[in-house]
Formats: sequence, C-alpha cells, structure tokens
Amino acid sequence: ILNVEQSPQSLHVQEGDSTNFTCSFPSSNFYALHWYRWETAKSPEALFVMTLNGDEKKKGRISATLNTKEGYSYLYIKGSQPEDSATYLCAFGAAGNKLTFGGGTRVLVKP
Amino acid sequence: GAGVSQSPSNKVTEKGKDVELRCDPISGHTALYWYRQSLGQGLEFLIYFQGNSAPDKSGLPSDRFSAERTGGSVSTLTIQRTQQEDSAVYLCASTPPGHPRGNQPQHFGDGTRLSIL
Repeated sequence: ILNVEQSPQSLHVQEGDSTNFTCSFPSSNFYALHWYRWETAKSPEALFVMTLNGDEKKKGRISATLNTKEGYSYLYIKGSQPEDSATYLCAFGAAGNKLTFGGGTRVLVKP
Repeated sequence: GAGVSQSPSNKVTEKGKDVELRCDPISGHTALYWYRQSLGQGLEFLIYFQGNSAPDKSGLPSDRFSAERTGGSVSTLTIQRTQQEDSAVYLCASTPPGHPRGNQPQHFGDGTRLSIL
C-alpha cells in the first residue's frame, strides 16, 4: 500500500504571511508528484506536476520543491491572501497515471 | 472549452437503492478516472479507464460497485444496493492522450455528492 502523507492537516495563516507545508511519499518507483488546490464547492485544480529530483516550480505566489531521494515535497505560499484558502492535495503519480493522494492540508487565510 | 462534467451534482437516496453517477470527460481525453472522498478521508482511487477498457479497477470497494465507459467518452459508475458507508463525494477526472506515466495533470469535474439515508 502506497503511503502519501501531508502535514499539517490544517493551518491558519494571517493575510500577508507566508507559509509552507509538506508532502511525504515513497522514494522508490517514483514517476511524478502532483499538487492540486481544491476550493470548497469547486473541482480540484492542478497546480504542479513535478518529475525530477530538485525540481522547483512556481505559479504566482505559490511554489513547490521536490526531493525524490528522501521522498518529500514542500509547497510554499508567499504573502497569503484570502483567496488562497483551500485544501491543498499532493498525489503520487504511478504508471497508468493512477494517483494516490495524501489527506490534504486545509489552509485558512484570515484577513 | 468545456471541462469535465458530472451529474447529478447531488444525490440523496435511501439505503438499498441503486444509483448511477455520470461523467462526461473533456472531448478528446482518452483516460478517465474515478475517485471518491468519504467524510474525513482523503481522495481514494476507484477505477481507471483507457479508452473503453479498465486496466486498473483495484480501488472498487466491493462487487456492488461497477463502472463502464462507452464510445471512449462518457462513463457511468453504478452502485447497487447502496449502504450508508457509500456516502461520499465522487470525483471524475480525465487526461489527454499520451504515455500514461503518472506525469499528466488530471482535469477534475465538480463531483457528485452522494448521501445515503
């Protein structure tokens, strides 16, 4: 059974502050690590798909890093805004593009 | 263009009834995936289609669950004799043609929220 874990489960951030959270995954048979943002009442939206050790990706104020040797990825949000409030999901991508998801980190940005 | 469309968006039914959930993927997307999120749980893989065939149905929780895909497009997930533990949000996703090496972002629908009374 593939174990993908995210921490913390939830966090509250003051508007304007920066934050980060973790996804850990198996370091063997690695294909890809996905990050999605899931806002309430909407569909999950792909943020990043990362495939190479040392990969860093950025989309606006959100960025992610990847360490496949030790099996972790960090997602960073710089200068958090209320619209960043969502659940952030990471997923381990395997052959066939089957995704194994972590439990998510629920982020609440307080004005 | 149109995204992944799921229907119904909400379904409330009595225990023991059968339900059908529908997914219409993005036009031209060859791979289609079903996931569900039960209360307090993470997103759980159910089944994956490549065209009309299902190479991986390892996530279907019991033989009450089945899925089919026709014409390489619309998919239906059927749950027979529903139980309360089937209550969840059922999500569908699709990806375009390409080598399925786990490195393609998946495009999700809004989901069907299923409640079993």
